[in-house]
Amino acid sequence: DAGVIQSPRHEVTEMGQEVTLRCKPISGHNSLFWYRQTMMRGLELLIYFNNNVPIDDSGMPEDRFSAKMPNASFSTLKIQPSEPRDSAVYFCASSEPSGLYNEQFFGPGTRLTVL
Amino acid sequence: KQEVTQIPAALSVPEGENLVLNCSFTDSAIYNLQWFRQDPGKGLTSLLLIQSSQREQTSGRLNASLDKSSGRSTLYIAASQPGDSATYLCAVGRSQGNLIFGKGTKLSVKP
Repeated sequence: DAGVIQSPRHEVTEMGQEVTLRCKPISGHNSLFWYRQTMMRGLELLIYFNNNVPIDDSGMPEDRFSAKMPNASFSTLKIQPSEPRDSAVYFCASSEPSGLYNEQFFGPGTRLTVL
Repeated sequence: KQEVTQIPAALSVPEGENLVLNCSFTDSAIYNLQWFRQDPGKGLTSLLLIQSSQREQTSGRLNASLDKSSGRSTLYIAASQPGDSATYLCAVGRSQGNLIFGKGTKLSVKP
């Protein structure tokens, strides 16, 4: 089984440019999570979706960040305009329909560097 | 606000030792607790998940325990190996599904 797929794996861009990160969850999973990992703050939830609907976006740092999930197999996280402080590793995770387990499975991450 | 703390931040042990990693959380109203492993430059690998109604879970040389009333979980690694070297992350799950992570314990197992 393919796990959570993220692209690109690495992204280097200049300040002010738009960045789009992509995620394909595990087939059959209906919850999708975007996290950001930095040395200073560790792993933090940005936003999560349940059945393609955003449930909690309180972790999104500011209006420059937006996320969409147009269908059950695809989500994007967009930063526009990007800033150097956005440099981090961005992880996508998915889990099965809520019930007994809610175990989350993570993708390999996208390492973003904003110059 | 739920806070998750992992102590120590780093740990170095000789190969073959049994070891315990600690995780504490401030709000006992959790849905589950998940332990992950992260290798340098890699994503997170789920190791064990303990439901709030459970006391422990085991997988191979790993055993995770949960004491909700005291806000603690431990990850026990038996007969450690150099391949166990990684950062171990504890994460507390809320009923809504999202996880709140500790900062991790960086483990180094020396041959």
